[in-house]
Amino acid sequence: ILNVEQSPQSLHVQEGDSTNFTCSFPSSNFYALHWYRWETAKSPEALFVMTLNGDEKKKGRISATLNTKEGYSYLYIKGSQPEDSATYLCAFFNSGYALNFGKGTSLLVTP
Amino acid sequence: KAGVTQTPRYLIKTRGQQVTLSCSPISGHRSVSWYQQTPGQGLQFLFEYFSETQRNKGNFPGRFSGRQFSNSRSEMNVSTLELGDSALYLCASSSGLAGPQETQYFGPGTRLLVL
Repeated sequence: ILNVEQSPQSLHVQEGDSTNFTCSFPSSNFYALHWYRWETAKSPEALFVMTLNGDEKKKGRISATLNTKEGYSYLYIKGSQPEDSATYLCAFFNSGYALNFGKGTSLLVTP
Repeated sequence: KAGVTQTPRYLIKTRGQQVTLSCSPISGHRSVSWYQQTPGQGLQFLFEYFSETQRNKGNFPGRFSGRQFSNSRSEMNVSTLELGDSALYLCASSSGLAGPQETQYFGPGTRLLVL
């Protein structure tokens, strides 16, 4: 079992604040790292797939970076909006066609 | 393109019963993966099917089984239900051909309550 750790577990910010979360994963035998956003009562939605050390991906106000040598990825949200409220999951892809998920970071953005 | 669908969405069973959950992948996708989420836990991988063959299995007891049909629809069965099987069960589909960098698309899940 490959452990994926996410921190913080939960976060409460005000609208307009920028925030970031951390995902830690095993640095050996790296294949890919996936980020998902999961809103209440909806399906998890893919944000990014990251494969190369130093990768940086961006989608609107959300961006992510990847460090495979030290085994971590950061997700940044610039100028948080209430609609960004969701649980953000990272998942490490192992060699067996399986995503190993962290427990997620629950973000609440209040006006 | 229609998304991943799962039926039923909600289910109540009693201990000892068995249950079958269904997942229809996105059209053209041949891989279906199943995950379990229980309170306080992340999504736990159950198994993955590709072209009717199980390619990988997570660390769950043999009471959990699955299958995939020729149209790529997949079913998951849990026999002799236990209270701890109460969970949200999600399936995800992909082409199954692009390896680790391929996005998996999730369905809305089936919430199972075992009494």
